[in-house]
Amino acid sequence: GESVGLHLPTLSVQEGDNSIINCAYSNSASDYFIWYKQESGKGPQFIIDIRSNMDKRQGQRVTVLLNKTVKHLSLQIAATQPGDSAVYFCADSSNTGKLIFGQGTTLQVKP
Amino acid sequence: NAGVMQNPRHLVRRRGQEARLRCSPMKGHSHVYWYRQLPEEGLKFMVYLQKENIIDESGMPKERFSAEFPKEGPSILRIQQVVRGDSAAYFCASSPRSQGHSNQPQHFGDGTRLSIL
Repeated sequence: GESVGLHLPTLSVQEGDNSIINCAYSNSASDYFIWYKQESGKGPQFIIDIRSNMDKRQGQRVTVLLNKTVKHLSLQIAATQPGDSAVYFCADSSNTGKLIFGQGTTLQVKP
Repeated sequence: NAGVMQNPRHLVRRRGQEARLRCSPMKGHSHVYWYRQLPEEGLKFMVYLQKENIIDESGMPKERFSAEFPKEGPSILRIQQVVRGDSAAYFCASSPRSQGHSNQPQHFGDGTRLSIL
């Protein structure tokens, strides 16, 4: 079956450093991917998305890279801040509309 | 510019009771999705609805669970005869149209935390 997974459950970085969170997916037909940030007690918050016809997309302090050959995507956060501390999920959108979520990576930012 | 609204935020039920969770999508959104999240895990898809239609219920348990999105009013996720294993956070998301056709992200509410005593 389809699955989406993240490589590391926890990532600890120093404030000001760059963070890289990785995700692998299994469905070669997947054509749309989304990164969400979830803070404690809240719902997932949209960060950035990318379609399969792109390799890279940039937002404010965030960049998503997609490697379709190895079915891997990553989220890069520049100049990580304490407010970036949260759980990050990648999600794969099927053509039926439902999202398949990975297990999540907890980002801890050390001051 | 209200986002997705879910209520109640916390719900406590005893085993055997019914739980009703409500979701009002963002203004202009006609597609609603329900997900369940267990502690330390990602969200798991349950059901996808449009107004008065269930589009995909492949993630819904076969018994005790039902969902609706009536022409007027919020979407409702209903769990009958709750058991301890139903304890989880239930999230609702909405999008303006089917994500598969337009590649528009789903926007989530802050969830209902269901606790079964």
